[in-house]
Amino acid sequence: AQSVTQPDIHITVSEGASLELRCNYSYGATPYLFWYVQSPGQGLQLLLKYFSGDTLVQGIKGFEAEFKRSQSSFNLRKPSVHWSDAAEYFCAVAERDSSYKLIFGSGTRLLVRP
Amino acid sequence: GAVVSQHPSRVICKSGTSVKIECRSLDFQATTMFWYRQFPKQSLMLMATSNEGSKATYEQGVEKDKFLINHASLTLSTLTVTSAHPEDSSFYICSGLLRGVGTDTQYFGPGTRLTVL
Repeated sequence: AQSVTQPDIHITVSEGASLELRCNYSYGATPYLFWYVQSPGQGLQLLLKYFSGDTLVQGIKGFEAEFKRSQSSFNLRKPSVHWSDAAEYFCAVAERDSSYKLIFGSGTRLLVRP
Repeated sequence: GAVVSQHPSRVICKSGTSVKIECRSLDFQATTMFWYRQFPKQSLMLMATSNEGSKATYEQGVEKDKFLINHASLTLSTLTVTSAHPEDSSFYICSGLLRGVGTDTQYFGPGTRLTVL
């Protein structure tokens, strides 16, 4: 069965430091991959997505992610974290059938030290 | 990006009453919308898929008679929690599916916090 794993429940980084959030997926075919961010008490905002083509994807707010088929990974990166980046981050894979469902990881909470 | 709204953002109701939550796609037509439930510090749990003009498809374990979904137009889906009980208290989030050629993407609303007393 398809699944998404975010191995880090919490990550704490200092403001200005680089960030990498890990995401591994299990999917039989080439997946459609997404990263969403959720601030407390809010809905989810799309950061970036991968469907095909260039495996390095640029998103909003200075985020990027790299699809690595050999490692079944889609890690999210940012070169310099801002205090406003503190939030919950969810990786998701989309079912490539007619259902269009998303399978979410359990999320990673990012804390930013001043 | 595509914008989805939800109303109300917060609702408090008494046990036994029904509550309706609206989900609207503001700048695109969403023939498919999704309803999720999120418990504190947890990921999203898909409750049902709402298709315009047809019956919703519910995930296993979700009571369709308790969580009524109506998708009457291309921009509006509603979730009605009937005879609400305290265990129904949760954060409910909807999404609209923006379709493109090989780029179908879900855009999420801001969520509705339901508290049942």
